Amino acid sequence: QVQLQQWGAGLLKSSETLSLTCAVYGGSFSDYYWSWIRQPPGKGLEWIGEINHSGSTNYNPSLKSRVTISVDTSKNQFSLKLSSVTAADTAVYYCARGVPTVTSMYLNYWGQGILVTVSS
Amino acid sequence: SSELTQDPAVSVALGQTVRITCQGDSLRSYYPSWYQQRPGQAPVLVLYGRNKRPSGIPDRFSGSSSGSTASLTITGAQAEDEADYYCNSRDNSGNHYVFGAGTQVTVL
Repeated sequence: QVQLQQWGAGLLKSSETLSLTCAVYGGSFSDYYWSWIRQPPGKGLEWIGEINHSGSTNYNPSLKSRVTISVDTSKNQFSLKLSSVTAADTAVYYCARGVPTVTSMYLNYWGQGILVTVSS
Repeated sequence: SSELTQDPAVSVALGQTVRITCQGDSLRSYYPSWYQQRPGQAPVLVLYGRNKRPSGIPDRFSGSSSGSTASLTITGAQAEDEADYYCNSRDNSGNHYVFGAGTQVTVL
C-alpha cells in the first residue's frame, strides 16, 4: 500500500520561506511524478508543480519565480520550498503521486495535507 | 480564472443521476482526471483517462468527453457522494496542469 506522509512548519510570517517534505512509503519511487497542490481555506485546488526521480521539474507559471521542488531518492522523499510568502499563500498543502500518460495525468495517492498559515 | 470551467454547484435527488461538466480547450487533446473531496479530507481520484476508475471507486461513477467538454456522471447518487468534485488536466499550453474551480454536489 502506498502512503505519503508530509510534514513541515505550519505557521510562518510574511516574507519567510515555506518548507515542506513528503515521504513516500511503498511502491516505486522512480516510475512517477511527485506533485504539490494547495488549497486556500474555502477555495479550490491549485497545482503548484511536480518533480520526477531524476530531478526534472515542472512548475505552475504563476508561482515559478518563488517555487523550488527537490527530490531525495535515497530517502524516497521530495520537498517544496516557497519563498517570500504572504497571507495569500495560506492554504492546505498536499503532496501527491502523479501518473503521467500520453493523454492524461492523474494523482492517485495523496498526503494528508498540512495547513500552512502566514501571518503578517 | 481557471482554464477549466466547472459549474459551481449542482444538486441531485437521492438515487437519481447527475452530470458534472468540465470545459476547456485542452480537453480536445487530453483526458481530465476527476477528484472527489469531502469536507476536511484530502481529494480522492475517482476517474481518469478514458473513463477509468481506480480500484474501490463504485461503478456508478462514469466519464465521457466530447470536444472541449468532459463529464463526470453519477448514476444513482448516494448520500456519501455529496462532496466537491474537481477536474484536472493540462493547461492550454499543454506544458502544465490546472484544476477546475470545483463543483459542489448536494444530494437531496
